[in-house]
Amino acid sequence: RKEVEQDPGPFNVPEGATVAFNCTYSNSASQSFFWYRQDCRKEPKLLMSVYSSGNEDGRFTAQLNRASQYISLLIRDSKLSDSATYLCVVGSSNDYKLSFGAGTTVTVRA
Amino acid sequence: EAGVVQSPRYKIIEKKQPVAFWCNPISGHNTLYWYLQNLGQGPELLIRYENEEAVDDSQLPKDRFSAERLKGVDSTLKIQPAELGDSAVYLCASSRDRDTEAFFGQGTRLTVV
Repeated sequence: RKEVEQDPGPFNVPEGATVAFNCTYSNSASQSFFWYRQDCRKEPKLLMSVYSSGNEDGRFTAQLNRASQYISLLIRDSKLSDSATYLCVVGSSNDYKLSFGAGTTVTVRA
Repeated sequence: EAGVVQSPRYKIIEKKQPVAFWCNPISGHNTLYWYLQNLGQGPELLIRYENEEAVDDSQLPKDRFSAERLKGVDSTLKIQPAELGDSAVYLCASSRDRDTEAFFGQGTRLTVV
């Protein structure tokens, strides 16, 4: 079983729509959680950290569910520029390894 | 503040040849990572340094891959000899500490022919 699993998508949504997707992780000792965004042929860039209480950054909302071991990302009022692959990243507290999911592809259409 | 700098951006080599990649992390970042990313996959850790010490190299194919981070700043990743299956993007990342967010360089796209 992979340490971090994501629905690869693609999620094809119209502009202005809301899109949400999850990421599950297997290591219960995980302590740090992040969402990264990766554009085609570019490097991953930090989108936001995910805190236990959940957090919001503009149109983006991240949630953590420790009991079920998943994190989620919700994008409201989607823009064309939100089209990208979103990588879920989980950090372990016992070896401090950052594990990446394979990514969820989102395509926002006009 | 400058980000993570990698060079070269692209490299094409014949199989069995050696190749080296260079990374300069963000100033003050103690932790440095080398990742490999294949098309359609997430980055996979090759090696992680804390300062000059390699603390996790369990995924590094040590028969052909080597890395160093002398003086705990710049790092090089070497492959010798390269194989066709090594074609991928090699990403370097750094973080202030081992459990904080990582910042990536633009990567080196390696093609082995």
